[in-house]
Amino acid sequence: GAGVSQSPSNKVTEKGKDVELRCDPISGHTALYWYRQSLGQGLEFLIYFQGNSAPDKSGLPSDRFSAERTGGSVSTLTIQRTQQEDSAVYLCASSLLAGGGREQYFGPGTRLTVT
Amino acid sequence: TQLLEQSPQFLSIQEGENLTVYCNSSSVFSSLQWYRQEPGEGPVLLVTVVTGGEVKKLKRLTFQFGDARKDSSLHITAAQPGDTGLYLCAGAYVGSSNTGKLIFGQGTTLQVKP
Repeated sequence: GAGVSQSPSNKVTEKGKDVELRCDPISGHTALYWYRQSLGQGLEFLIYFQGNSAPDKSGLPSDRFSAERTGGSVSTLTIQRTQQEDSAVYLCASSLLAGGGREQYFGPGTRLTVT
Repeated sequence: TQLLEQSPQFLSIQEGENLTVYCNSSSVFSSLQWYRQEPGEGPVLLVTVVTGGEVKKLKRLTFQFGDARKDSSLHITAAQPGDTGLYLCAGAYVGSSNTGKLIFGQGTTLQVKP
């Protein structure tokens, strides 16, 4: 079946503009995660959704970042008033169920460049 | 703050050589995963280890979980150019096991030259 998809694949925006990044998880996966990755580095956890539970927002770096997941499927990560330090690859992952040891399936990411 | 220290950060070797990548923390993991990532793609899971002292093999790759579940290693035998990529360890700490929230190491960039 189809994997995790993300759009756009690349986004160049001017400092101060808002951006929306989209993630389509694998159908039936109840857990969805957003991560941020700087060039050649590890992944930084941002936010986690599981079913109808309140999301875990503990990784969001500032109140300029927000995310929602509508209908338990598609998720949108919004960055308001973008800054140059927001430039990174934003990765989305989904998992059939939440829980330690569960495989997370990653999308190809959205490369965000803030000029 | 929970940290995962991964070393080395960069490794460049000749085809046929062996190598080991290490992942260490002061905290105990409920499980640990190793991922491989190629440029322009998301990470892909290689293995999950759960039990202290566990050893798993995937062809030329051997994964070991420390007895105390605080560290792990990835050993590659007779590396091939196709092994080139970014290797990431990721841990689910005790207490976060019900969410699947992972803490990632900073990654090891492996380059295998023919």
